[in-house]
Amino acid sequence: QVQLVESGGGVVQPGRSLRLSCAASGFTFSTYAMHWVRQAPGKGLEWVALISYDGSNKDYADSVKGRFTISRDNSKKKLYLQMNSLRAEDTAVYYCAKDRWGSGYYYFDDWGQGTLVTVSS
Amino acid sequence: IVLTQSPGTLSLSPGERATLSCRASQSVSSNYLAWYQQKPGQAPRLLIYGASSRATGIPDRFSGSGSGTDFTLTISRLEPEDFAVYYCQQYTSSPKTFGQGTKVDIK
Repeated sequence: QVQLVESGGGVVQPGRSLRLSCAASGFTFSTYAMHWVRQAPGKGLEWVALISYDGSNKDYADSVKGRFTISRDNSKKKLYLQMNSLRAEDTAVYYCAKDRWGSGYYYFDDWGQGTLVTVSS
Repeated sequence: IVLTQSPGTLSLSPGERATLSCRASQSVSSNYLAWYQQKPGQAPRLLIYGASSRATGIPDRFSGSGSGTDFTLTISRLEPEDFAVYYCQQYTSSPKTFGQGTKVDIK
């Protein structure tokens, strides 16, 4: 079965950087687009970024554009999110989510359990 | 596209019918609308895609309907495990957006 396991969360000071990882198993990782979705404490869901199956297409929410970078390593079956210039409002649980297809333009049919990022001085 | 869900909270008893609404600020073409269920401390789970297609393993008491700007998730008879928060999401345009959620709690 599909398994997505996030890691790399923690407490970080404003302005610093953090890199999240998502290890995938149970499906052919290299044929599916992947996303990061976040949820601030007690709040709703916010899509953050997508990457197509081969990494050729990336898209970002305006709230993170220019600060976050999504990438993937299909040989390792891993998804990444490099987060720079972190702000207090980036505090959230970050989920990696699998797209239904390879382009990244569909819904999320599997989710990881999430990793908490807290931005605080 | 802004999605507005109503009501914010729905208080019902097990066995009752739940009707959740999701209204879009502009038409969701191709009915690219999904519904997710989230329980406390858990990741969201896909229930419905394409406005009305149930995801794998989802019981048939869950059904989706609607088109254009108005969509509905119906739970025909609430089971104890159905008390949760439900989100709609459109994937017809970028950025993909979610509604603010409807909490279904026990009356």
